[in-house]
Amino acid sequence: DVVLTQSPLSLPVTLGQPASISCRSSHSLGYSDGNTYLNWFQQRPGQSPRRLLYKVFNRDSGVPDRFSGSGSGTDFTLKISRVEAEDVGVYYCMQGTHWPSFGQGTNLEIK
Amino acid sequence: QVQLVQSGAEVRKPGASVKVSCKASGYTFMNYGISWVRQAPGQGLEWMGWINTNNGDTNHAQKFQGRVTMTTDTSTSTTYMELRSLRSDDTAVYYCARDREIFGVVIMRFGMDVWGQGTTVIVS
Repeated sequence: DVVLTQSPLSLPVTLGQPASISCRSSHSLGYSDGNTYLNWFQQRPGQSPRRLLYKVFNRDSGVPDRFSGSGSGTDFTLKISRVEAEDVGVYYCMQGTHWPSFGQGTNLEIK
Repeated sequence: QVQLVQSGAEVRKPGASVKVSCKASGYTFMNYGISWVRQAPGQGLEWMGWINTNNGDTNHAQKFQGRVTMTTDTSTSTTYMELRSLRSDDTAVYYCARDREIFGVVIMRFGMDVWGQGTTVIVS
């Protein structure tokens, strides 16, 4: 099984400041088709998860451009350039290269 | 718009079974599979399995092997997930998610781009 390890697990951020979440995989996530199936999800309190980014850095429709993704192989990062109040929630990385697995989640809160 | 609408909350006793439905709309149903993911209270997300809506083929996470059945009804664009021999630690919110675009025999990798609203299952 592929284990995804996120850090930090708790992320207090001041409004307007940047935030960064790391996701490390126990196995390489590059696939034979040349893609890397690492996705990021946001789960606001009381809501279903919402996909923000797919294949490392591609933003889903409607996702603000302050969200960006980077990385390759086993190390990946989600960055928020300027945190807004609506960004509060739990962020999960998820790999779809192998049988799916999720990171433990990072709880972003406003300081 | 693309939407997945799930059935309502359920309460079951230990040892019983539960069947959750997920009705798709706003896209061509057989062009995508469906994954099921659950979330225990205060916990993270756990993938349970995936069904190919074209032919009914399924893949399950090892821990659910023998306890979960996923089926699909193309006439109503609905997917079902049945979990048997329920235990208290099966108490969770169960989500369906559109997953893996299907191009004939070519199936994309996992991506879960659209999610249902969730179905709470309480085992007590």
